[in-house]
Amino acid sequence: GENVEQHPSTLSVQEGDSAVIKCTYSDSASNYFPWYKQELGKRPQLIIDIRSNVGEKKDQRIAVTLNKTAKHFSLHITETQPEDSAVYFCASGSSASKIIFGSGTRLSIRP
Amino acid sequence: GAGVSQSPRYKVAKRGQDVALRCDPISGHVSLFWYQQALGQGPEFLTYFQNEAQLDKSGLPSDRFFAERPEGSVSTLKIQRTQQEDSAVYLCASSFRDRNTEAFFGQGTRLTVV
Repeated sequence: GENVEQHPSTLSVQEGDSAVIKCTYSDSASNYFPWYKQELGKRPQLIIDIRSNVGEKKDQRIAVTLNKTAKHFSLHITETQPEDSAVYFCASGSSASKIIFGSGTRLSIRP
Repeated sequence: GAGVSQSPRYKVAKRGQDVALRCDPISGHVSLFWYQQALGQGPEFLTYFQNEAQLDKSGLPSDRFFAERPEGSVSTLKIQRTQQEDSAVYLCASSFRDRNTEAFFGQGTRLTVV
């Protein structure tokens, strides 16, 4: 069945440095790739999404890249801040299938 | 409403008890999803509705799980004869159109089966 692999499971970076989280997906029909941020005890919230007709999208300190040939997509956070500490989930979906989530990356920002 | 609302926020059930979890999606949202999130894991898909039609229930783990959305708005996830392995946070999400638009999540219901 469809699945999404996410790496790393934990990531610790120095404040101000960049963080990169990578995901791979298996369903060739996937054409929608959202990223969610979940703080402890709170609901997942969408931070950025990308559709398969573009290769990169940027929103301030957050960027996502997509390589459909390799079935890879990545989240890049630059100039990390303490409030970036959370669990991040990638996901993939298509109009013919449900949205499948990765297992999450716990990001910690060291002061 | 302002967002997706789920109730109850917390539920403790004795093993074997039936439970019903409620989701009020954002008004006007066509799509509604249920996910199960175990501690430290990502949300696992359970089922999907488009209006009142249940289009995908492939993620429901057993026939003890049942979901409905009879009028295309509020949805209920029912778990019969709860087991300890059912303990998890159950998340509901809704989106305006199809599955490829932003899904807004509720706060979830934390179910603990003792």
